[in-house]
Amino acid sequence: GQQVMQIPQYQHVQEGEDFTTYCNSSTTLSNIQWYKQRPGGHPVFLIQLVKSGEVKKQKRLTFQFGEAKKNSSLHITATQTTDVGTYFCASEGYNFNKFYFGSGTKLNVKP
Amino acid sequence: SQTIHQWPATLVQPVGSPLSLECTVEGTSNPNLYWYRQAAGRGLQLLFYSVGIGQISSEVPQNLSASRPQDRQFILSSKKLLLSDSGFYLCAWREKDTGNTIYFGEGSWLTVV
Repeated sequence: GQQVMQIPQYQHVQEGEDFTTYCNSSTTLSNIQWYKQRPGGHPVFLIQLVKSGEVKKQKRLTFQFGEAKKNSSLHITATQTTDVGTYFCASEGYNFNKFYFGSGTKLNVKP
Repeated sequence: SQTIHQWPATLVQPVGSPLSLECTVEGTSNPNLYWYRQAAGRGLQLLFYSVGIGQISSEVPQNLSASRPQDRQFILSSKKLLLSDSGFYLCAWREKDTGNTIYFGEGSWLTVV
C-alpha cells in the first residue's frame, strides 16, 4: 500500500506568499523524491533526497529530509503564478521496484 | 536519450466496452514499467508494475489487467469498463535499482460514459 502521507491536500496563496507541503511515513525511507505536475500534464521530477537531515535548494524551492528519514518537506518562498500545480512526494516500497506517490498538494497562486 | 510514448491521449468509452492503452519506451533496455491512475483532482494510484517481459505485479484488485509482451511495451486492458474506471492513466518507466527517477508518458484521459 501507500508509503507516504502528504498534507495539505490543497493550498491557496496570494502571489508572494510562502508555501509548504509535508510528507510523512511510518517507516524509514531509503530516499524521497519530489515531483511537480502542472495542470493537465504529467508529473516531472524535481529532486531526490537521500541523506538524513539533507537540505537542498533550487532557486525559491527548499527541500528537507528529516533526521529519521521518515518525513520530508518542500517549501516555496515568495510564490509565483508559475508555481501553480500539484506537488507530490514519492518513494520506493520495501521492494524498490515499487514506487509510490503521496496524495499530492494542489497549489493555487492568486496573482 | 530515452523517450516514452503512450496512446491514445484521450478516449470516451461506453460502460461495458473493452479498453486497451499502450505504452512504449525507447532508448533503454530492461526498464521497470508502471501504470498509474489519477482520478480527477486526486493522487497517483499505482495499478501495476513490471520488472520484465511477462512479469506483472498488481497493486489493487480491479477489473483492469496489464501485459508486457515485449521488453519496452506495456499494455493496460479491460474486458468490460466501469464508470469508476474513468481517470487519467499514466505509464512510466524507471531504471532498475534503488534511487532512480521515474519518467512519465503524457497520459491518457479515459472517460467512461
